[in-house]
Amino acid sequence: DQQVKQNSPSLSVQEGRISILNCDYTNSMFDYFLWYKKYPAEGPTFLISISSIKDKNEDGRFTVFLNKSAKHLSLHIVPSQPGDSAVYFCAASVSYGKLTFGQGTILTVHP
Amino acid sequence: EAGVTQFPSHSVIEKGQTVTLRCDPISGHDNLYWYRRVMGKEIKFLLHFVKESKQDESGMPNNRFLAERTGGTYSTLKVQPAELEDSGVYFCASSQVWGANEQFFGPGTRLTVL
Repeated sequence: DQQVKQNSPSLSVQEGRISILNCDYTNSMFDYFLWYKKYPAEGPTFLISISSIKDKNEDGRFTVFLNKSAKHLSLHIVPSQPGDSAVYFCAASVSYGKLTFGQGTILTVHP
Repeated sequence: EAGVTQFPSHSVIEKGQTVTLRCDPISGHDNLYWYRRVMGKEIKFLLHFVKESKQDESGMPNNRFLAERTGGTYSTLKVQPAELEDSGVYFCASSQVWGANEQFFGPGTRLTVL
């Protein structure tokens, strides 16, 4: 039972353009959502998070949007840079507990 | 400030052998988590310590896996006896008790069971 889903295994974007990564969840008890970035042979690195009481959180080039009614969140990266190329994981938790991850989306930003 | 460290970075063992993975969390982090990623799939939760106590071990696959966190500092995860399906990357993460649930991950231990 996959409670967090990232339906796009990969995404290719031109440098300078917007990258939009999507994530859907099924568990309505999730109240905290996070995005992690992962490079090969490294652990996931925290990027940005959002509480269920908000619908948007912004940090520099990264913005996360949460649509609770649709149980959907997205990560926008503007402008995209070649160094952003990595695997992006969406994760969710209930009251600061364990993280439930999606399968990941491989983002490739072309120069 | 040092991040989460894990040892070893790689381990190759034969089926039936025992392996012990170690995780040192960020100093002062009471929460310690173990996760596993198998065959490039999603990262799955194994268990959660708060200090030395097991808060949630619902993700542990079976009784061949034993996690400990004596003294509430570093943690070990022992697999005995190892099976082929145990191969994967084992991640450790830590977080503070209060505040945002940003878990900081270590680099992982890649376990290969032959």
